[in-house]
Parts: sequence; C-alpha cells; structure tokens
Amino acid sequence: AQSVAQPEDQVNVAEGNPLTVKCTYSVSGNPYLFWYVQYPNRGLQFLLKYITGDNLVKGSYGFEAEFNKSQTSFHLKKPSALVSDSALYFCAVRDGNSGAGSYQLTFGKGTKLSVIP
Amino acid sequence: ETGVTQTPRHLVMGMTNKKSLKCEQHLGHNAMYWYKQSAKKPLELMFVYSLEERVENNSVPSRFSPECPNSSHLFLHLHTLQPEDSALYLCASSQGMSLQYEQYFGPGTRLTVT
Repeated sequence: AQSVAQPEDQVNVAEGNPLTVKCTYSVSGNPYLFWYVQYPNRGLQFLLKYITGDNLVKGSYGFEAEFNKSQTSFHLKKPSALVSDSALYFCAVRDGNSGAGSYQLTFGKGTKLSVIP
Repeated sequence: ETGVTQTPRHLVMGMTNKKSLKCEQHLGHNAMYWYKQSAKKPLELMFVYSLEERVENNSVPSRFSPECPNSSHLFLHLHTLQPEDSALYLCASSQGMSLQYEQYFGPGTRLTVT
C-alpha cells in the first residue's frame, strides 16, 4: 500500500529566508510524486511533480523539490520565502506498482506554511 | 484559475433534503474525481470517472450518488446526509488515468449538514 507522511503540521519562516516543507513516502514500485498548494477557501493547485529523470524538479512560483530515493523523501523548497507563500501544502504519491484499476492518489495531511514579514 | 469550476460554493442543507453539487472542467480532460476534505484529515477520494464511466468507488455511502453525463461535467447528488458529512467537497480533473498526470482542482463546495 502507498502512503505519504508530512511530519510537520506547521512551518514558520521569515520572509526572505529559504523554506523547506518535508515529505516522505512509501510505495512498492516506482513513486510518482506531486506537490499541491491550497490557499484559504480555495481548491488545491498543482505545483510540481516527479515522474522520472533529474532528481531536482522545478515548479510554479519558484518552488522546487528534491527527490531522494534512498531516503524516500520529496521535500519542497524555495530559496527565498514570500508572505504570499503562506498556505497549506500537500504532498501526494501514486505507486507505479499499483496495478491496473488503482487510481488512488494518496495525499499527506498537509503542512501549514506561515511566512512572517 | 485552474479551469475547473464548482457550484454552489457554499451549501447548507438539512438531513432530509436532496441537493446536487456540480463540477465543470474546461480543460479537455478525460478523467474526473470527487474528493472529500475534512478538517485534520487527509483528502479522501470518493469517486473516479474516466471517459464518463465510473472506475472507482471508494466505499462511499449510498447517500452520495455521482453522475457524469459527459467528460466535462460531474455531479454529486446528495440525500439524507448526516452531520458528519459536513466538509469541503472538491472536484478534480486530469488529462487521463495514467500515473504521470497531475490533477486540477476546483475551488470546492463547503457543505454544512444541519
């Protein structure tokens, strides 16, 4: 079974500082990994994904994520945080070995990012 | 905007009411999804449609009834709901069912069951 963990319920960072939101996963096959962001009273917005290839993935709004197979991690990063980055961030995974008929995209519980001016 | 719209944005209904949630995607996608988002819980996948055929039903109670009349529209019909069904209901779409396709979400319908 596939699973994803976001160990931090909340991350606080000062504006202009680098930010990291952590995500670890568990799958039996190759992982397909995604990050989404949710602003208040809005749906989820796709940020970036890792399918294969380069371990460093670049996405929207200056975000990037690093895939680390040995640590089964896919942490979200940004070199310089903005106050407007304050939102709820979700990591999600699909298992490449899940077999036909399984369409589950498993989400973490979310990490609330607060960027302090 | 993500190209996925949902109406209504807010809904309050009694336990004996019947109502419907509507979702429309303008992205030309072939797959559509209903999710339930409750406070302090991960997103729960409810239903998946691919090319207007239901391909997954995650043990959802029968008081929730989905309908997909075409690849652009998805409905969730609600009847005799319980207070614990109060949540944010999110619709999403993707280009297809393959593993690499990301999903695009609507803004959600905030449902309150009284």
